[in-house]
Amino acid sequence: NAGVTQTPKFQVLKTGQSMTLQCAQDMNHNSMYWYRQDPGMGLRLIYYSASEGTTDKGEVPNGYNVSRLNKREFSLRLESAAPSQTSVYFCAIVAGLYEQFFGPGTRLTVL
Amino acid sequence: GQQVMQIPQYQHVQEGEDFTTYCNSSTTLSNIQWYKQRPGGHPVFLIQLVKSGEVKKQKRLTFQFGEAKKNSSLHITATQTTDVGTYFCAVHLRNQFYFGTGTSLTVIP
Repeated sequence: NAGVTQTPKFQVLKTGQSMTLQCAQDMNHNSMYWYRQDPGMGLRLIYYSASEGTTDKGEVPNGYNVSRLNKREFSLRLESAAPSQTSVYFCAIVAGLYEQFFGPGTRLTVL
Repeated sequence: GQQVMQIPQYQHVQEGEDFTTYCNSSTTLSNIQWYKQRPGGHPVFLIQLVKSGEVKKQKRLTFQFGEAKKNSSLHITATQTTDVGTYFCAVHLRNQFYFGTGTSLTVIP
């Protein structure tokens, strides 16, 4: 999806290391979301930002922080990674009423 | 917590057979969306439903929203190998989206 980009695509961390996942959009929409996807669990919302300068917790926020740097960018930070945070992370923007556009995802492994 | 339950978790069909996945809620929903995710890919929006009893079609795909707005279904007629993937429903509630656990569709040629 050219409208939503995520970096990096893959990452391997050791327990206790920190990292920031980046998400950027060129679609000029206000709402941005971070999800994690685990096998058999569907997508679960970590944090969201309804507009620039605001962020709110989703269903599974523990162990994460976010920053809405500007309208384009919404980053997700793991301060001290744990093996339970091994997952695929997706960023999404909301267009129209409820239509979400997802980025390509970041596949994170924590050893 | 989980707002929608999705069944079945897995479905294997012969190419040409039909396929249906269901999402059910214990509460009345104001909306529901459907997404498709190919293996190794990201979810792609298919459709949204907001009206009681609404039926929408996209080629071989038929989407329904129940009269009581507590359930929804996605039906694929005459599956093809290109239909392989996981189908998710999602609902928007109090500024958040809640996804079903998905139905993984395998199509056997």
